[in-house]
Amino acid sequence: EIVLTQSPGTLSLSPGERATLSCRASQSVSNMYLAWYQQKPGQAPRLLISAASSRAPGIPARFSGSGSGTDFTLTISRLEPEDFAVYYCQQYGSSPPGTFGQGTKVEIQ
Amino acid sequence: EVQLVQSRAEVKKPGESLKISCKGSGYSFRHYWIAWVRQTPGKGLEWMGIIYPGDSDTRYSPSFQGQVTISADESISTAHLQWSSLKASDTAMYYCARLSYFVTVTSPFDPWGQGTLVTVSS
Repeated sequence: EIVLTQSPGTLSLSPGERATLSCRASQSVSNMYLAWYQQKPGQAPRLLISAASSRAPGIPARFSGSGSGTDFTLTISRLEPEDFAVYYCQQYGSSPPGTFGQGTKVEIQ
Repeated sequence: EVQLVQSRAEVKKPGESLKISCKGSGYSFRHYWIAWVRQTPGKGLEWMGIIYPGDSDTRYSPSFQGQVTISADESISTAHLQWSSLKASDTAMYYCARLSYFVTVTSPFDPWGQGTLVTVSS
């Protein structure tokens, strides 16, 4: 089973700043089957990025994903007030599909 | 609009049984895998299992095999998650989610249902 480790656990930033979130896999993620989700309090997770770098429909361009193999990054170029949330990475290419990281909370500094 | 709507919150006692539901609309229900995901404060998001409504092919995470049963009724576009004997440790938010690519299991989860809160307490 692939284990995903996200860092940092919490990121304290101000609106307008750049956020860089990391997701490291215990073994290579096949075909870059890596997704990122955003979850706000009281809401279900929402897909942001699939295949490591493809934005889901309707997701603003300030969100970008990169990486391959075992190291992946979600970048938010300029934080908007609505971006303060918890972000999860997920691999969906191996059995079992759907392993999640433990999450990174982006909070207002 | 593709949508998953889950059943309401439940409060149960240990040892009781429970079946919660997830109704899909706006797409061909039989052709997309449905996943169940548990969320707890301590363990975050945990994938429980997936089902393909077209033929009821079901796969469980080893952590949940034998603990829950996943089923689907294609005729009413609804998937179910059930317990035969609940424990206090089953207290959590449960989400269903559609695997977003047609037929294939190698797919991210999109969209998600709104969640069903299950509370198990004596």
